[in-house]
Amino acid sequence: QVQLQESGPGLVKPSETLSLTCTVSGDSIGSGDYHWAWIRQPPGKGLEWIGNTHNGGNPFYNSPLKSRVTISVDTSKKRFSLRVNSVTAADTAVYYCARHPPYLPFDSWGQGILVAV
Amino acid sequence: DIQMTQSPSSVSASVGDRVIITCRASQGISSRLGWYQQKPGRAPKVLIYSASSLHSGVPSRFSGSGSGTDFTLIIDTLQPEDFATYYCQQSNSFPLTFGGGTRVEIK
Repeated sequence: QVQLQESGPGLVKPSETLSLTCTVSGDSIGSGDYHWAWIRQPPGKGLEWIGNTHNGGNPFYNSPLKSRVTISVDTSKKRFSLRVNSVTAADTAVYYCARHPPYLPFDSWGQGILVAV
Repeated sequence: DIQMTQSPSSVSASVGDRVIITCRASQGISSRLGWYQQKPGRAPKVLIYSASSLHSGVPSRFSGSGSGTDFTLIIDTLQPEDFATYYCQQSNSFPLTFGGGTRVEIK
């Protein structure tokens, strides 16, 4: 059974870089069967997809964040990462990592990590 | 981008009630729609995939229907554990987008 776990600092200063890692167990990020994604949820608000990575190809990013976001994969270490540059208070959110099969919903999620700016 | 519009944004219901939530896509997405349940402080859990298929382990009182642009989630015989927020999400194209959520509250 796949498990995902987010890790990283819970507090980031304005204008600095938010960096999070998602460690995956029970599945192979490099298998190509799934997309691996970051999603966030500001306090009391809805879900926002940040971006996806799949099979080592170029990641897809949500347009409003594209200029500030990088998703990278370390297949050998079974983890993928998120970096958001130049953060502001609007980036305060619970950040989730998740996976989904192509054209299907996210079927496994991490527990989420609250990052405050 | 495909916009997903959910309604209502909240609904008050009693145990045993039938609850209907709708989701409309701004353009056709075939059946590439999922529904999630989220409880406070928890990650969302998938209920329905491909618009009408029940995810493994999800009770049969949950059902989904629709295709193209209009979709429905029905909760038959609402149970105490069903009070939560529900989201739809399209997986037809990037950027992946979610509906704004429907909060199901105790009446």
